[in-house]
Amino acid sequence: EKVMTQSPATLSVSPGERVTLSCRASQTVGSNVAWYQQKPGQAPRLVIYAASTRATGIPARFSGSGSGTEFTLTISSLQSEDFAIYYCQQYNNWPLTFGPGTKVDVK
Amino acid sequence: QVQLVESGGGVVQPGRSLRLSCAASGFSFGASAFHWVRQAPGLRLEWVALMSSDGINKFYADSVKGRFTISRDTSKNTLFLQMSSLRAEDTALYFCVRGGSGSYRYFDYWGQGTSVTVSP
Repeated sequence: EKVMTQSPATLSVSPGERVTLSCRASQTVGSNVAWYQQKPGQAPRLVIYAASTRATGIPARFSGSGSGTEFTLTISSLQSEDFAIYYCQQYNNWPLTFGPGTKVDVK
Repeated sequence: QVQLVESGGGVVQPGRSLRLSCAASGFSFGASAFHWVRQAPGLRLEWVALMSSDGINKFYADSVKGRFTISRDTSKNTLFLQMSSLRAEDTALYFCVRGGSGSYRYFDYWGQGTSVTVSP
């Protein structure tokens, strides 16, 4: 099983700041990584797939990069609606696995 | 628009069964792959099961293999998860999820979830 880890666990930031979230796979997963945003009481929402492709309706301030075992989600200028938990997921191998999430909250 | 609405959750005793349903609308149900993903309190998301778009291929997480069965009724645009021999560790919010258009192995639309609690 491919184990996904994320860092940091929590990131306290102010609106307007640049945010970088990290995700690491225990073994190579190619570019088969997706990122999801989850707000309290809501279902997760797809943000990025194929490591760097924005999902439909996702603002351009979100970008993804990486391949192999190291991946990054960047929010260029954090908006108030971006405070949430972000999960990465690998879909290169079965079983499909998620990271533990990074919570982005208000500084 | 794409909608996935789960139902069927509840409180059930260990060892009993429960069937979850997911009503889909706003897209071609029969052309889509579907998953169930669960989230236990305080824990990370966990993929549970997949049904391919042709309805033939089904995959399960080891934690539920032999106990859970994924199925669908294309005439009713509904996905199911039959859960048997339930355990305390199956307690979670269960999401019905559509497989992505680029690869069915990521998740492009999620329902709001239905809660399952396994408790004596």
